[in-house]
Amino acid sequence: DTAVSQTPKYLVTQMGNDKSIKCEQNLGHDTMYWYKQDSKKFLKIMFSYNNKELIINETVPNRFSPKSPDKAHLNLHINSLELGDSAVYFCASSRTGSYETQYFGPGTRLLVL
Amino acid sequence: SQQGEEDPQALSIQEGENATMNCSYKTSINNLQWYRQNSGRGLVHLILIRSNEREKHSGRLRVTLDTSKKSSSLLITASRAADTASYFCATRQGATNKLIFGTGTLLAVQP
Repeated sequence: DTAVSQTPKYLVTQMGNDKSIKCEQNLGHDTMYWYKQDSKKFLKIMFSYNNKELIINETVPNRFSPKSPDKAHLNLHINSLELGDSAVYFCASSRTGSYETQYFGPGTRLLVL
Repeated sequence: SQQGEEDPQALSIQEGENATMNCSYKTSINNLQWYRQNSGRGLVHLILIRSNEREKHSGRLRVTLDTSKKSSSLLITASRAADTASYFCATRQGATNKLIFGTGTLLAVQP
């Protein structure tokens, strides 16, 4: 009964490749997020979707493209991977509202060689 | 950068002692939340304090908020080895869904 799940857990790939990370939540939430955590543990939001609509799009290279086929899924596709993309990517979800807390997935550890 | 700062960056204590972590932020907020991250895991929500609240308790956790100083503290009483983790504060500004996370405090509780 995992709440927020991500696949894969680990991703090792070469520079220049294209890869996708999938996220699913079974909490019935209508808002989902992608975060990037770098090697210094800084956690920054990348994107947020509410009811399949993009509502937050931080300054992220357009090589990163989120896709939300339905409220329970938010995938992240990355084109032309670069060394600096190496990080841990977290998916999260919440209900809509200023006082709602976010539920995080276990993370996807991406290493670009 | 909007990112908040936490101090200390790292804290090592003995089991049974109290641990205090501080968080400072830069803009006015709607609420402030604390999260815990165990090594290699995702973040887990601990407690939320609204901008009109000054103190909140949850079990062994006590959070204070001083909006005039734009700061918050998290106190963990009677710490246990299982409390070893990184702790992050996160602020929500206005009506957005965006959380701005602090830099984190790595807490090590020695048995």
